Amino acid sequence: DAGVIQSPRHEVTEMGQEVTLRCKPISGHNSLFWYRQTMMRGLELLIYFNNNVPIDDSGMPEDRFSAKMPNASFSTLKIQPSEPRDSAVYFCASGGGFQANQPQHFGDGTRLSIL
Amino acid sequence: GQQLNQSPQSMFIQEGEDVSMNCTSSSIFNTWLWYKQEPGEGPVLLIALYKAGELTSNGRLTAQFGITRKDSFLNISASIPSDVGIYFCAGLKTSYDKVIFGPGTSLSVIP
Repeated sequence: DAGVIQSPRHEVTEMGQEVTLRCKPISGHNSLFWYRQTMMRGLELLIYFNNNVPIDDSGMPEDRFSAKMPNASFSTLKIQPSEPRDSAVYFCASGGGFQANQPQHFGDGTRLSIL
Repeated sequence: GQQLNQSPQSMFIQEGEDVSMNCTSSSIFNTWLWYKQEPGEGPVLLIALYKAGELTSNGRLTAQFGITRKDSFLNISASIPSDVGIYFCAGLKTSYDKVIFGPGTSLSVIP
């Protein structure tokens, strides 16, 4: 079975540029989560969707961050404009149920470096 | 805010030894999850616990949902080199709550 697929795996760009991270959840999963992982702050939930609808975006750091889920098989996380402090590994995860306590399956992440 | 603490922060053990780690909170959680993350990969779910006192095994791994609902424990028996990684606990207060991750326990196994 294909797991959660994220692209790109690595992204290096200059500050001020727009960055778009992509995620394809596991087919049939109803929930999708975006996380950010850094050494300082660990794993932080940014936003999660259920049935393509954003449920809680309180973890999104600021207005420069936006996420969309236009259909059940695709989601994007966009940063515009990007800043060096956005450098982190960004994970997408999908879950099989509406409830957030259903086990989540993570992708391999996008390692983002903003110069 | 809600926070999870994990101890120890890191462990260096000899192959074949048993491992114990725990996760604590000042708040009550109704779901505990244990994940393992290897370098360059995303976390992988090991065990999910949904009931206070629950003891669940997955191969050499055993996890327990603490009776107070404020803690959880993970044990690994007879460690092997491929157990190396960072082990995260995660908790939720309700089914519809955001999951909170602990800072992780880094495990190194010396062959």
